[in-house]
Amino acid sequence: NAGVMQNPRHLVRRRGQEARLRCSPMKGHSHVYWYRQLPEEGLKFMVYLQKENIIDESGMPKERFSAEFPKEGPSILRIQQVVRGDSAAYFCASSPGKQENTEAFFGQGTRLTVV
Amino acid sequence: TQLLEQSPQFLSIQEGENLTVYCNSSSVFSSLQWYRQEPGEGPVLLVTVVTGGEVKKLKRLTFQFGDARKDSSLHITAAQPGDTGLYLCAGAGTGRRALTFGSGTRLQVQP
Repeated sequence: NAGVMQNPRHLVRRRGQEARLRCSPMKGHSHVYWYRQLPEEGLKFMVYLQKENIIDESGMPKERFSAEFPKEGPSILRIQQVVRGDSAAYFCASSPGKQENTEAFFGQGTRLTVV
Repeated sequence: TQLLEQSPQFLSIQEGENLTVYCNSSSVFSSLQWYRQEPGEGPVLLVTVVTGGEVKKLKRLTFQFGDARKDSSLHITAAQPGDTGLYLCAGAGTGRRALTFGSGTRLQVQP
C-alpha cells in the first residue's frame, strides 16, 4: 500500500513562472490537505479538499495560489507568478473519509526554490 | 486563531538520558497528534490522542493528553541517537480537520 506520493521532490522556478505541485493520496483516502513549511518552522495549513470540492481554504493566500482535487488524478497545488517568498517545502497529507478520524499521513514534500 | 506552543525549541542530550517535550495551547483540541520529521522528509505520524487524560505508550515514548485537551507532552526514556529529529505536535480543532502545528522541538541525541 503506497503512501502519499508527491512530485516533483524538488522544483526550481524563476520569478514570474508557474509552479505545479502534485499529490496522490494514500489508497482509500478521500481527503487531501496541503501545508507549507518554511525553514526551521512548523507546518502551516493551506487548504483542505475532497474529490472535486474545496472544503477549507482559510490558509491559502488570496492571490496566485489555487488548488484542485479532480475526480480523476492527483491533487494539484498551483502557484502562479512565483516570488522568492514562495520558496518553501510544500507537503501534502491525506486521511480517510471517516468524520471522527483526523489522522493525516504526509508525503515527502516538494521543495520549491524560486530564483 | 488556535496556536500551539512547543518547548523546548532545541534539546541536545546524551544517549541514555530522559527528556520531555511540551505542547501547550489556550484552545481546546478534539485530537492531538505527534509527528517526527527527518531532514528532507515529510512528518511521520507517531501517535494520536483524543481523550482528555489519555496516555499512550510507543516503546520508549510516552504521550499524554491533558485533562482539558489543551496541552500534551511527549516523554522519551533512555534516548538513543536514532531518536534524533524534529518533533512536531499538531492539533485538530473542534469540527475542523485541518491541523494546527507547533513550531517543533529539534532533538539531538549524542552517542
